[in-house]
Formats: sequence, structure tokens, C-alpha cells
Amino acid sequence: KNQVEQSPQSLIILEGKNCTLQCNYTVSPFSNLRWYKQDTGRGPVSLTIMTFSENTKSNGRYTATLDADTKQSSLHITASQLSDSASYICVVSARGGSQGNLIFGKGTKLSVKP
Amino acid sequence: NAGVTQTPKFQVLKTGQSMTLQCAQDMNHEYMSWYRQDPGMGLRLIHYSVGAGITDQGEVPNGYNVSRSTTEDFPLRLLSAAPSQTSVYFCASSRGGAGEQYFGPGTRLTVT
Repeated sequence: KNQVEQSPQSLIILEGKNCTLQCNYTVSPFSNLRWYKQDTGRGPVSLTIMTFSENTKSNGRYTATLDADTKQSSLHITASQLSDSASYICVVSARGGSQGNLIFGKGTKLSVKP
Repeated sequence: NAGVTQTPKFQVLKTGQSMTLQCAQDMNHEYMSWYRQDPGMGLRLIHYSVGAGITDQGEVPNGYNVSRSTTEDFPLRLLSAAPSQTSVYFCASSRGGAGEQYFGPGTRLTVT
């Protein structure tokens, strides 16, 4: 069964610290992996999309890594800011190119404290 | 560009009532989708469309209808609201099935 598991469920860090969020998936065949940021009360916003051949992709202070062999991805946030407080959702697209082939993780809720 | 817009932002319905959640995008995207988001469940796909006149069911389609008469609009109809449909509903669009999705701001629906 295609699944996306994220850890931890929630995380509290101090402003200025770094953190890493994990995503493990069992989706096959794999097309791409996405990370979204969802602020409270808002819709998700795309941070990165990585294909099979990409193992690192950055978007400002956000760096995503992908290991297609072990089917793991991580999202590293550098020098966290209060505005990074949000849920981070990992989504894996199975090959086939249909919206029905997107498998969503349940998200990691990050709280950045001053 | 307004991106993806959704109306209303909030809605309270009584059990058995019907309503339509509106979704529109101005990016000329072929693909549009409806999701519901419940605490601890993540986003679940209700219905999606790969172009005008073409729709398909997602993971949780029961109790919902969709149609796609234009590229821009993709309304979601609740036929007879039930308390189990209390949720936050998101509409999304993308240029292709594997492309980046753009989400609307959501509609928070409460069914009493």
C-alpha cells in the first residue's frame, strides 16, 4: 500500500535554531516528492519538488534531501524564525501523473518559540 | 493573478441542507482538485478533474458531486450535508498531474 509517514508529529524549537523533519514513503513507482508549508488557517504552499534524480534542493533557508534508494526525504530548516511556525507536509507523487496518485503525509507541526 | 480563490470562507449548515463550495483559478491550469482536511488525518482527495468536462473520484467521494464546465471553475456540491462532512475544504490546481499544486485559502464548513 502506498504510504507517506512523517516524523516527528510535532516539534518545538527556539528561534535561531536548526531543525530537520523526516519523511519516509513506500510509494511505487515514484514520480516526485514535494514539501509544503501550511500556516494555520491557510492553504498549503509549495516549498520544493524533487524528482528521482535530484537529491538536494534548496529554497532559501529550507533544504530538502531525497534518498530514492532508502525512500527517505528530509526537510532542514536553518536559523529558524517565528514565521516558520507551521505544519510541513510531505507529498509523494506516484508515476501516472494524476491527482489521484498524490499520497499525502499527515504533516509535522513546527512551533518556533522566541 | 488572483491564483486559486474559494468562497465562502466559512459556512454553517444544518443536517440535510445542500450547498455549493466555489473554486476558481486564473492560471489556465488543466488539473483541479478538492481536498478535505481533518485533524490528524491530513489532506484527503475528494474529486479531481484533468480538464473541462472530465472529472474523477478520489479517496473520499461519497456525499459530494463535482462538474467542470470551464477551465477556470470547479464547484463542489454537498447534496445532503451530514455532521461527518464538518471539515476544512481546499481546492487546488496545477498545470499537469505531476506539477506544482497551488492551493486556495480553504472553506471551513460546520454541519450541525
